[in-house]
Amino acid sequence: KNEVEQSPQNLTAQEGEFITINCSYSVGISALHWLQQHPGGGIVSLFMLSSGKKKHGRLIATINIQEKHSSLHITASHPRDSAVYICAVRSSGSARQLTFGSGTQLTVLP
Amino acid sequence: NAGVTQTPKFRILKIGQSMTLQCAQDMNHNYMYWYRQDPGMGLKLIYYSVGAGITDKGEVPNGYNVSRSTTEDFPLRLELAAPSQTSVYFCASSSGTGRYQPQHFGDGTRLSIL
Repeated sequence: KNEVEQSPQNLTAQEGEFITINCSYSVGISALHWLQQHPGGGIVSLFMLSSGKKKHGRLIATINIQEKHSSLHITASHPRDSAVYICAVRSSGSARQLTFGSGTQLTVLP
Repeated sequence: NAGVTQTPKFRILKIGQSMTLQCAQDMNHNYMYWYRQDPGMGLKLIYYSVGAGITDKGEVPNGYNVSRSTTEDFPLRLELAAPSQTSVYFCASSSGTGRYQPQHFGDGTRLSIL
């Protein structure tokens, strides 16, 4: 069973700061997902990656397969980025199930 | 496009009551999932379905049942509700098991068992 650990659990930043959220997992994966959960509860998929780096606007996700580690970066953070960010992995050989981290609560202050 | 629609959004049940959480998607996705989210914990998979007529247990299936009679609908049934089932329930769907297929989530159902 894959174990997914996120850090930090809580993060408070000032508007404009560069933010990094980390995710580590214990066994091999076929894909890693980053999701955003809004204050109202809705969950949206931000990225899916299995190698390298992906960028969408101010968000950048990287993954190091050898180290079993991924990071989500937010550049020029804004109060509207305040949300819970969740890492989830699809283990190799487990075609259908995702294992989720417990999330990182991000608060960006104006 | 409505995406994934869950009803109700909130519900309070008494211990021992039963209810059905509804989930419908209009994206013609084959794969559908039910998760529960407890405070401070990651989402845990309750049941999933790979197509109409096919369902399978996830990590935490006890106390729940599902059915998948159509591609669009995937209801979750709670029989004999217990306080341990107080949680936020999310339904999700995806078009397949390919590595790059995102899961689309509903807005959740907040359920309290008193």
